[in-house]
Amino acid sequence: GQNIDQPTEMTATEGAIVQINCTYQTSGFNGLFWYQQHAGEAPTFLSYNVLDGLEEKGRFSSFLSRSKGYSYLLLKELQMKDSASYLCGPNTDKLIFGTGTRLQVFP
Amino acid sequence: DTAVSQTPKYLVTQMGNDKSIKCEQNLGHDTMYWYKQDSKKFLKIMFSYNNKELIINETVPNRFSPKSPDKAHLNLHINSLELGDSAVYFCASSHTAGEETQYFGPGTRLLVL
Repeated sequence: GQNIDQPTEMTATEGAIVQINCTYQTSGFNGLFWYQQHAGEAPTFLSYNVLDGLEEKGRFSSFLSRSKGYSYLLLKELQMKDSASYLCGPNTDKLIFGTGTRLQVFP
Repeated sequence: DTAVSQTPKYLVTQMGNDKSIKCEQNLGHDTMYWYKQDSKKFLKIMFSYNNKELIINETVPNRFSPKSPDKAHLNLHINSLELGDSAVYFCASSHTAGEETQYFGPGTRLLVL
């Protein structure tokens, strides 16, 4: 079966660092996507990890451990506009999503 | 230019009606998808087409029928609408099937009364 687990909600303050964890159990695995979704809008692509390790892209970094079925998204220098839901998406023969982590950034 | 577009953006209708949602992408992608996002924000794939051929069909009631007239379009027809069909429906596309970034449309907010 497919199982994806990430926290439902997180809060942080502007300028801080936040780490959103995701654990997954899937039948088959090609890589892991992270998408950002602002309220009332479509999901937009953030990152895709295929190999183990950390990939950095500006203020956002994503980490993957295939053997542990674990990934995290790291957001640095948080801004108010980072308030959104962050969807963890293991890619098997199709892309499946967790329920997302709703991040609220406060001033 | 809008990469992935959907119409209508909002759809309010009565139970039992039949309705269609249209999706078009101008990215030249081969693969298109339909997702349903319910009130709990759970985003779940429904269908995927690659070059007009169905490649993914999740456990979706057969009241839902996708149609792909060409690889730039993937429409979703829903028969005999039920209250539980109320959700946001997102269309998406990717260059090919598999390990490809998907680009989402703006969503269609369906409310069944």
